[in-house]
Amino acid sequence: AQSVTQLGSHVSVSEGALVLLRCNYSSSVPPYLFWYVQYPNQGLQLLLKYTTGATLVKGINGFEAEFKKSETSFHLTKPSAHMSDAAEYFCAVSETSGTYKYIFGTGTRLKVLA
Amino acid sequence: DVKVTQSSRYLVKRTGEKVFLECVQDMDHENMFWYRQDPGLGLRLIYFSYDVKMKEKGDIPEGYSVSREKKERFSLILESASTNQTSMYLCASTQGATNEKLFFGSGTQLSVL
Repeated sequence: AQSVTQLGSHVSVSEGALVLLRCNYSSSVPPYLFWYVQYPNQGLQLLLKYTTGATLVKGINGFEAEFKKSETSFHLTKPSAHMSDAAEYFCAVSETSGTYKYIFGTGTRLKVLA
Repeated sequence: DVKVTQSSRYLVKRTGEKVFLECVQDMDHENMFWYRQDPGLGLRLIYFSYDVKMKEKGDIPEGYSVSREKKERFSLILESASTNQTSMYLCASTQGATNEKLFFGSGTQLSVL
């Protein structure tokens, strides 16, 4: 069965530093890939997604992610962290055909230090 | 703007009670989902529905059932609530293909005492 692994349940970075949140998936057939963000007391909202085409995907709030098939990875980055980036981030995958299931990782809580 | 509305933000129930969590979307979406979110476990799929009156079990359906009588409404039912069902419940919807993003409600924090 498809699975998603997010390394690091908590990540702390200084304001202005690089943000790197890791995500790996298990499928031998590349799925569709998503990153969602959840701010306190809110539902999840989409940051970016990869379906086909260019492997470097740009999203909202300066985030981007690169799909690497050989590494089965879809890591999320942002060059310079801002205090407002403090939130929980979830990587998710969905199958390219068949079931409508979306599978989520366990999440990474990002803390930004002043 | 697109909206997924969950009827309650916080809910407190007693063990053994029947609990209904309601979710309504205003986007005419085909697919609707119920997830539960627990610290360290991420989001786990309980049930989803790809059409009116159609439903499929997710990864953790035990102790839950669902109802989708109208396209815009997807209800999650806890037939006999138990303390291990204390959790945050998130409803989501999407249109058609699986490359589409999920739209989420704000969640219902359910406490079963």
